[in-house]
Amino acid sequence: DARVTQTPRHKVTEMGQEVTMRCQPILGHNTVFWYRQTMMQGLELLAYFRNRAPLDDSGMPKDRFSAEMPDATLATLKIQPSEPRDSAVYFCASGLRGFNEQFFGPGTRLTVL
Amino acid sequence: GQNIDQPTEMTATEGAIVQINCTYQTSGFNGLFWYQQHAGEAPTFLSYNVLDGLEEKGRFSSFLSRSKGYSYLLLKELQMKDSASYLCAVRQNSPGNTPLVFGKGTRLSVIA
Repeated sequence: DARVTQTPRHKVTEMGQEVTMRCQPILGHNTVFWYRQTMMQGLELLAYFRNRAPLDDSGMPKDRFSAEMPDATLATLKIQPSEPRDSAVYFCASGLRGFNEQFFGPGTRLTVL
Repeated sequence: GQNIDQPTEMTATEGAIVQINCTYQTSGFNGLFWYQQHAGEAPTFLSYNVLDGLEEKGRFSSFLSRSKGYSYLLLKELQMKDSASYLCAVRQNSPGNTPLVFGKGTRLSVIA
């Protein structure tokens, strides 16, 4: 069945290292979201794309985070350099313009030591 | 600014009914969503309200009052598998698939 996939599922890294997270949206979905979830802040939007074009990345710390969609089947979120405060679960979600539902991937649990 | 408030935790008994409230103050409004999230898993869509009133879907119902900035999720005939976090979210901007602003979630524990 159609699902959003994310890799890796878990990542432990040291402060200062680069982290790359990948997301494969559901085939045919033209809208992709990156959210971050922490206990303190809950789920927060980092960035979103429609038809591979970034529409809003105001939730991302621009100096260290970058998000791209190299093609319609792949979205990436990079952190360079990573910091302990980036420790969180990062969710990718996809959907279709004109429809309400966003389908979430299983998330990448990131721990920065 | 934007603010979405819901209780942090609730406990209810198997077979009972529970109501989870959500109040919101956002700069725009174009729909209210409820998501369910089991521990360690992804959020899954439960319901959507854009007009005032009650939407029913099986054991789950969701209510919206736009004038009061208020919604609730009603779960009937509670089952142990309903133990999860329930997230209230508002779509602020244009209709269609645009970003959601989430509350911090209500952790529901269903006990025997």
